[in-house]
Amino acid sequence: DGGITQSPKYLFRKEGQNVTLSCEQNLNHDAMYWYRQDPGQGLRLIYYSQIVNDFQKGDIAEGYSVSREKKESFPLTVTSAQKNPTAFYLCASRDRVVTEAFFGQGTRLTVV
Amino acid sequence: RKEVEQDPGPFNVPEGATVAFNCTYSNSASQSFFWYRQDCRKEPKLLMSVYSSGNEDGRFTAQLNRASQYISLLIRDSKLSDSATYLCVVNMPNGGATNKLIFGTGTLLAVQP
Repeated sequence: DGGITQSPKYLFRKEGQNVTLSCEQNLNHDAMYWYRQDPGQGLRLIYYSQIVNDFQKGDIAEGYSVSREKKESFPLTVTSAQKNPTAFYLCASRDRVVTEAFFGQGTRLTVV
Repeated sequence: RKEVEQDPGPFNVPEGATVAFNCTYSNSASQSFFWYRQDCRKEPKLLMSVYSSGNEDGRFTAQLNRASQYISLLIRDSKLSDSATYLCVVNMPNGGATNKLIFGTGTLLAVQP
């Protein structure tokens, strides 16, 4: 089936550790996005990429890094520089700049 | 000013009521607009795209007003299953050929029996 897969669904991290969240899509979409959602809040854009080997910072990129080496994959690394990493992370993709985005099921990251 | 603004609610309405949500956006060059629905602890899912001429899908009607830079969503004959958070989404140009999808904070709807 075509879709977007995020893994893992739940992730626990110790303070000071980097962690990488996976996002894979088999929809042949060009654009991919990472958002963060805090409880009771909307989605805030972290990074986005419209083509392979290119990406742009969103509104809250500090403490995060991404790569886009393949069209299908857009992993997000939460670094130790991110002061409040506990949140729900959502990955999305879409095929053209004016069409709707499709989301993965999200990864809940908790710092312990 | 936020790029996309919504009333966070909550909107508490009885079954069968009509409810309307509004959303304003800051960038007049924005090209496309959507309403998403998000259930608790789930990912957002597309409810409907918003076209300049307005569009309707069953009990749901979406409108776009470019002059005033707002979009709206009308839900008629509310059902218990409509209870969710409704997110306004705007596709904004970001220099050159890039675009970014910006979400509003969402409006919580609770339909009461």
